[in-house]
Amino acid sequence: GAVVSQHPSRVICKSGTSVKIECRSLDFQATTMFWYRQFPKKSLMLMATSNEGSKATYEQGVEKDKFLINHASLTLSTLTVTSAHPEDSSFYICSARAMSGAAPYEQYFGPGTRLTVT
Amino acid sequence: KNQVEQSPQSLIILEGKNCTLQCNYTVSPFSNLRWYKQDTGRGPVSLTIMTFSENTKSNGRYTATLDADTKQSSLHITASQLSDSASYICVVSGKNTGFQKLVFGTGTRLLVSP
Repeated sequence: GAVVSQHPSRVICKSGTSVKIECRSLDFQATTMFWYRQFPKKSLMLMATSNEGSKATYEQGVEKDKFLINHASLTLSTLTVTSAHPEDSSFYICSARAMSGAAPYEQYFGPGTRLTVT
Repeated sequence: KNQVEQSPQSLIILEGKNCTLQCNYTVSPFSNLRWYKQDTGRGPVSLTIMTFSENTKSNGRYTATLDADTKQSSLHITASQLSDSASYICVVSGKNTGFQKLVFGTGTRLLVSP
């Protein structure tokens, strides 16, 4: 089945530093990847849609300069949280949309990355 | 406004019992409806996906139903196990939306107790 990985699974960083989270589709190609943020006991909130080779589309209220997204290949997208603050602490989840195969256009979710900013 | 509402918010049942979770949506036009299971600290895992023409779909002890006329869906869990303790999220996808932006419900948190 389609597998999406995220790295790291957990990260702790100090305020003011930047953190990069990787999202990889391991056994399929994904032209589109999505980044979500999830607060405790809340549902997923879409932050941005990332298309391979082009600029990401950010949802209203999401700072593009704060959350840098790069989708350099059909299997890798990265989210960089710049100048992190404690309020950026959250659970970040990516998903990847398959181009073809048994379930084209299905979205597969990664396991998530827990970011804690101290 | 496209919305997905789930009930109950949380539920506690005894191991071995059955339960049914509800999902109502206002997403239109409709493409498909998905149920996901999300363990604490993990990403969502797909249980079922149903299109407009499908009324029911099963995945092991999980059975989802869909009534596209009333815009309601349910997820029935049979013979619950401790490992079923998780959040269950109903997600609806709109039709012809290009990137198929998903509308997420707030989830039902299920606790199966021994």
